[in-house]
Amino acid sequence: DAKTTQPNSMESNEEEPVHLPCNHSTISGTDYIHWYRQLPSQGPEYVIHGLTSNVNNRMASLAIAEDRKSSTLILHRATLRDAAVYYCILQNSGSARQLTFGSGTQLTVLP
Amino acid sequence: GAVVSQHPSRVICKSGTSVKIECRSLDFQATTMFWYRQFPKKSLMLMATSNEGSKATYEQGVEKDKFLINHASLTLSTLTVTSAHPEDSSFYICSARDFRTTEAFFGQGTRLTVV
Repeated sequence: DAKTTQPNSMESNEEEPVHLPCNHSTISGTDYIHWYRQLPSQGPEYVIHGLTSNVNNRMASLAIAEDRKSSTLILHRATLRDAAVYYCILQNSGSARQLTFGSGTQLTVLP
Repeated sequence: GAVVSQHPSRVICKSGTSVKIECRSLDFQATTMFWYRQFPKKSLMLMATSNEGSKATYEQGVEKDKFLINHASLTLSTLTVTSAHPEDSSFYICSARDFRTTEAFFGQGTRLTVV
């Protein structure tokens, strides 16, 4: 699976929007962009995924660059409960393989 | 959404004993389950891929005789850490893939402490 690059850490103030970037310059045409997050001492939790178009759900929005070489996870109003490690993962459409986790971005939300 | 139940959530055992961790998909069938290990401040590392009805596939460096995996049904996979040692202390996480959608769901994790 193609590699992703994320900042090690980011900070945000509570109730402000957060933009978490991810670079994936070697993405292939059939790779989906997945975002998971992991709260302390818990398993990863699905956040959102997309292929080409921007995606919205109740948790977040995913903005995908036109060339698909980067994407941004947007939390519209950060809460203290959003403090977690956020992982951006690529996976080929229909693949039954495991998700390969990089180092992710540790998001700290300041009250 | 789909739920994967992992049990126990935490366990403390003595060196030399064995510990079994269960991973169940509660509302979908999972032909494939994955076992990860995570050390403090580190990312998840895949240990093995478990396929229902067949032998697990282990990643390089993971001892198959130490980490026994059984996937006897479409909803249950177990990981047994045999003859546990303090260096096996870690956070173990399972993931189950819904064979209909190929989406992956994760268990809550098991904190193993070997004393």
